Amino acid sequence: AQSVSQHNHHVILSEAASLELGCNYSYGGTVNLFWYVQYPGQHLQLLLKYFSGDPLVKGIKGFEAEFIKSKFSFNLRKPSVQWSDTAEYFCAVNAVTAGNKLTFGGGTRVLVKP
Amino acid sequence: NAGVTQTPKFRILKIGQSMTLQCAQDMNHNYMYWYRQDPGMGLKLIYYSVGAGITDKGEVPNGYNVSRSTTEDFPLRLELAAPSQTSVYFCASRVPGANVLTFGAGSRLTVL
Repeated sequence: AQSVSQHNHHVILSEAASLELGCNYSYGGTVNLFWYVQYPGQHLQLLLKYFSGDPLVKGIKGFEAEFIKSKFSFNLRKPSVQWSDTAEYFCAVNAVTAGNKLTFGGGTRVLVKP
Repeated sequence: NAGVTQTPKFRILKIGQSMTLQCAQDMNHNYMYWYRQDPGMGLKLIYYSVGAGITDKGEVPNGYNVSRSTTEDFPLRLELAAPSQTSVYFCASRVPGANVLTFGAGSRLTVL
C-alpha cells in the first residue's frame, strides 16, 4: 500500500519569508498528486494538483509544487508567505493503478507571524 | 449550491452509545468517502463507496459501518462508541475520473 510522508509537523515563519514543505510518497506506479489546505475552522480545499505533463505546477494563492519522479517527491513552495497562509497543509497521493484511493500525509501546520 | 453537507457539526457521546454521522451531496457524485482526521496523523480513510449499493472498507474501518442506499447520502454509523473514536470526521465526494475531492465541513466527535 502507498504511504505519504510530510517531513515537518510544524513550521513557524514570518511574513515575506519563503516556504517549502516536503512530501514524499512510496508507490512505484502512476500517481496523481495533490496538496490540500485547511484554514482555521474551515474544511479542506484543493491547493494544486499534478496529473501529468509539466512537473512544476502552479496553484492558487501563489503556491507551486514540483514533482520529482526519481525522488518520489512533490514539495510545495511559496516564495513569500502572508499571515493569511496560516493553515494546515496536506499532501495526498492517488495511486492510479491501485484502487484510486487517496492517501494523505500527516499534515504540516504552518503559522505565519505578522 | 450546497456541495457536501455534514451533520452534526459537533457531538459528545458517552462510551457505548451509538450514533450516525450524516453526509449528503447534491452534485450527483458517484464516489463518496469518509475520513477521520487526528492530529499529526493526517486523514485516514474509513469507508468509501463508488455508487449506490456499493461500499468498501478503507484503512481504518473497525468500529464503523456505512450504507449507500442513494447516490446523495452516505451515512457513517458508530455502534458502540469508544474514546479512540474521538476525532474529526470528514465526508468527501468526487466524480469518476476526476480525482479531486470535494470535502464537507467536518463533524467533531468526542467520546467520553
